[in-house]
Amino acid sequence: SQQGEEDPQALSIQEGENATMNCSYKTSINNLQWYRQNSGRGLVHLILIRSNEREKHSGRLRVTLDTSKKSSSLLITASRAADTASYFCATHGDGNKLVFGAGTILRVKS
Amino acid sequence: GAVVSQHPSRVICKSGTSVKIECRSLDFQATTMFWYRQFPKKSLMLMATSNEGSKATYEQGVEKDKFLINHASLTLSTLTVTSAHPEDSSFYICSARDRRSYEQYFGPGTRLTVT
Repeated sequence: SQQGEEDPQALSIQEGENATMNCSYKTSINNLQWYRQNSGRGLVHLILIRSNEREKHSGRLRVTLDTSKKSSSLLITASRAADTASYFCATHGDGNKLVFGAGTILRVKS
Repeated sequence: GAVVSQHPSRVICKSGTSVKIECRSLDFQATTMFWYRQFPKKSLMLMATSNEGSKATYEQGVEKDKFLINHASLTLSTLTVTSAHPEDSSFYICSARDRRSYEQYFGPGTRLTVT
């Protein structure tokens, strides 16, 4: 079952612009993770943020987590054409399962 | 970093036949592996959780007799799609959870096409 929604469903930007994707979830979580998937390929783990963290950075990536609103955002700064991919959030609750959001398809035009 | 492999990467089969997909953790042991299914331009849907040495736990709506899962060792889980139909065509992705670190690593996926 899907944990929640991501918006936007699709995002098209110019190279150099920032891209912001949002994710909402429904249940309590231990951590939230963001993944990237190039078309027809497997998943690449980008970043993990724990439930007691509010913000995390990794290179050009910035992730925020608001547990009161059950939402997270992924910001990619100074986007590049190579950032074109689908981006998914996934949450880890009390069980074993990692449950994925619907995903955002990002297209960066050069 | 930890590596999870899947074999085959692509398979085309005829309706009515069965297809086996392997998921291996190459440099770590995984007591738990997960099988996901992904339709084009859609997200990953968890199908089942595979535990080494015991029966898999299937998500609601997933037919256990249709999607047979075997997790016979700490490094290998298999998914067999039995009596495949065109609607089973999909991208199947496994992930393995490191028994020590609890990190979860994903395989590259298997593209199944049923004709």
